[in-house]
Amino acid sequence: DAGVIQSPRHEVTEMGQEVTLRCKPISGHDYLFWYRQTMMRGLELLIYFNNNVPIDDSGMPEDRFSAKMPNASFSTLKIQPSEPRDSAVYFCASSFFRSGGGEQYFGPGTRLTVT
Amino acid sequence: GENVEQHPSTLSVQEGDSAVIKCTYSDSASNYFPWYKQELGKGPQLIIDIRSNVGEKKDQRIAVTLNKTAKHFSLHITETQPEDSAVYFCAASTGSGYSTLTFGKGTMLLVSP
Repeated sequence: DAGVIQSPRHEVTEMGQEVTLRCKPISGHDYLFWYRQTMMRGLELLIYFNNNVPIDDSGMPEDRFSAKMPNASFSTLKIQPSEPRDSAVYFCASSFFRSGGGEQYFGPGTRLTVT
Repeated sequence: GENVEQHPSTLSVQEGDSAVIKCTYSDSASNYFPWYKQELGKGPQLIIDIRSNVGEKKDQRIAVTLNKTAKHFSLHITETQPEDSAVYFCAASTGSGYSTLTFGKGTMLLVSP
């Protein structure tokens, strides 16, 4: 398997623009996670899905952030409108169910810079 | 909710030395403890994990120990090599059924040749 795939790897955009990040999880995994990583806050869980259904979005910072998972092999994280404070590395991870927590496998990340 | 503390934040060792990174957690219901290695420009990679029914697990030069009574777990790397240089994260997961991971803040390990 190719692992978790994310695109784009780098995104530079201007404040106010819409940004869409994409993720393809590992085939057969039934959980998908979106994280944000910054120096100040470390790794933060934004939202996660189980069988394509959003389970907990309490980590989504504002209404400007939204995430979808239309099928088992694709998810998007959208920021509209983007702001400079959204600059961070965004990771997607996937996992399979295991009681007490399954191993999460991370993608390479998307480095977002909002100017 | 769960809180995971990780120490030290940076660790410098000479090649061939051992390195130890320690984490404590707050929720006694936590029962899964993975460790991730993150190299520059890459995503975190799972390197070893331990579940609460064992006290120690080894995989070649790395090992993890768990003390449930004290609510702490540690990563041990022996015979360190320059390619071990990276940021290491511990995490904890609670409860029965599926639960999410709470991560520590990370330890930057630098191994000098």
